[in-house]
Parts: sequence; structure tokens; C-alpha cells
Amino acid sequence: DQQVKQNSPSLSVQEGRISILNCDYTNSMFDYFLWYKKYPAEGPTFLISISSIKDKNEDGRFTVFLNKSAKHLSLHIVPSQPGDSAVYFCAASWGPAGNAGNMLTFGGGTRLMVKP
Amino acid sequence: ETGVTQSPTHLIKTRGQQVTLRCSSQSGHNTVSWYQQALGQGPQFIFQYYREEENGRGNFPPRFSGLQFPNYSSELNVNALELDDSALYLCASSLGSLSGNTTDTQYFGPGTRLTVL
Repeated sequence: DQQVKQNSPSLSVQEGRISILNCDYTNSMFDYFLWYKKYPAEGPTFLISISSIKDKNEDGRFTVFLNKSAKHLSLHIVPSQPGDSAVYFCAASWGPAGNAGNMLTFGGGTRLMVKP
Repeated sequence: ETGVTQSPTHLIKTRGQQVTLRCSSQSGHNTVSWYQQALGQGPQFIFQYYREEENGRGNFPPRFSGLQFPNYSSELNVNALELDDSALYLCASSLGSLSGNTTDTQYFGPGTRLTVL
């Protein structure tokens, strides 16, 4: 049973436009959500997170939105740049992800391609 | 500040063999989590070590085992290798605390690519 799902395996966007990556979860015990970016031959790099007490978190070009009632979150990248081309993973945990006892449950990833 | 490092980068083994993968956590971090990422999938949690004790385990058989050392570095051991064990193995470190003062995220190393023939 996949508790975290990313239903779009790939997304292609023109440079300068908005990229929207989506993620759904089923376990209502998750209360902390993260987005990671992964380039080939590298480990996942943390991008942005949000706790369940918020519905939006912004960091520069990246904004994460959380809809708890729909069990849905999305990552918006504005404006998109060619260097953003990578695989993006959504992940969820019970509480702050770094704390002992908390594991990350990942979605399957979305490959974002930003065309110049 | 040194990030999370893993060794080796790549490894080729045959079915039935045993393998040990190594991870050095980021400076100041006391918690290490291991994940397996099969091709085309997201990482899956194997287990976590906190202050040298196993502190949570995912749905992996006992032939997956680990250690954490006093300097908080860690090893992942896999016995009786199977073809399906071929994957990227990721180590992540963080600062965990029973009192709540923790890092918000886990910091990943570059991974070890294991191929089982």
C-alpha cells in the first residue's frame, strides 16, 4: 500500500513558467511533509518542508501548499529554470523529519524537465 | 562542515554473497537512517540508528542489518544477496533528540549503487 503517491511520473515546462508538482497521501497520522530534489548520481537534496499546522510555506522561488482535508500537497516553482530539471520526491513523516524515531515515507517521484 | 559521505560509490556482487556499505554522518548528527531506492521508485526506509541503537525498522527481512558506531558513523550489512537487492542505498543523517531539539529534515549522502548478478 502506497501511503504517499505522486501520480505524474513526468512534467515538462517552459523556462520562466510555473511548475506545479503534486503529491497525495493516505495516512492521516502524517503531520510533516517535505520535498526533495534529486539529480542523477547524487543523493536527494532537501528543498522545502511544511508542518500540518500550516497550509503554505514559501522559500524564494519554491512554495509548498498543504490541503489537509484533501490529503494533498503541491510544490510550485516560479519562475522555472533549466537548472530545476531533476526528479522531485515528496516525503512525509510523523513529526519533524530529523527527529529520532521518525522515518520518511516517499512518493515515487516526478521528473521535471524545464525547457529553455 | 562535512556533509554525509558514503562508500563505496559502486559495488558489484553475486547472488548469495554478503555486502557492507558505510556511511559517515554529518558533523553533529547522532541519527542515521538507511533507505533503499530501486530503479524508478522512491526511497524506502530500511532502518534507523539513534545513539548506537536500532530505533525503527521498515519492511525488510533480518538479512538486512546495521550498526552505528560511537562517532555516529554507520554500516548497512546485507547477507545472502538476492537479485532484487540491486538498488541505490542511501544513508541520511540528522540530529535527533528525545527533548525535541532536532533538525527538521534528514540530510542524504550520494548513495551506493549495488548491483547483484
